[in-house]
Amino acid sequence: QQQVKQSPQSLIVQKGGISIINCAYENTAFDYFPWYQQFPGKGPALLIAIRPDVSEKKEGRFTISFNKSAKQFSLHIMDSQPGDSATYFCAASSDNRKLIWGLGTSLAVNP
Amino acid sequence: KAGVTQTPRYLIKTRGQQVTLSCSPISGHRSVSWYQQTPGQGLQFLFEYFSETQRNKGNFPGRFSGRQFSNSRSEMNVSTLELGDSALYLCASQTQASSYEQYFGPGTRLTVT
Repeated sequence: QQQVKQSPQSLIVQKGGISIINCAYENTAFDYFPWYQQFPGKGPALLIAIRPDVSEKKEGRFTISFNKSAKQFSLHIMDSQPGDSATYFCAASSDNRKLIWGLGTSLAVNP
Repeated sequence: KAGVTQTPRYLIKTRGQQVTLSCSPISGHRSVSWYQQTPGQGLQFLFEYFSETQRNKGNFPGRFSGRQFSNSRSEMNVSTLELGDSALYLCASQTQASSYEQYFGPGTRLTVT
């Protein structure tokens, strides 16, 4: 049973466009929602994270939007660049327990 | 600070053999988590160690085991390897037990033939 469902599985965006990746969760006890970025040959790296007391968090070109009532959160990458091409994972956790991961989205940004 | 290091980076084993992977966390980090990453299943949690004690365990068979040493370095062992064990094994370092922020190493790519 996949507790965190991520979509789309893959995404192609033109340079300068907006990349949007969505995640939905089931467990209302989750209180921490990070996004990780993984380049080929590397381990995942924490990109940005949000807690459910805010609806949006922005760091540079990366924004997390959080909808508690819909149990959904999404990553927006503004002005997408070829260097953003990577696999993105959403995850969720509660009470400092283990992270539950989405299956990942492979993003390709065309120059 | 040096990042999380994992050795070896690549490994080829034969079905039925056993393998030991090593992880050195970031200096000062006392907790280590292990994950198996495969294309179809994403990141699957194996176990977490803090102060040489296993704190959490995922849903993997007993062939998968781990340990942590007093210097926080960790090893995981897989016995009686199966073809399905082929995966990228990732180690994540945390400042303390079950800390939200995890710092990943580059992984060990295990291929079982």
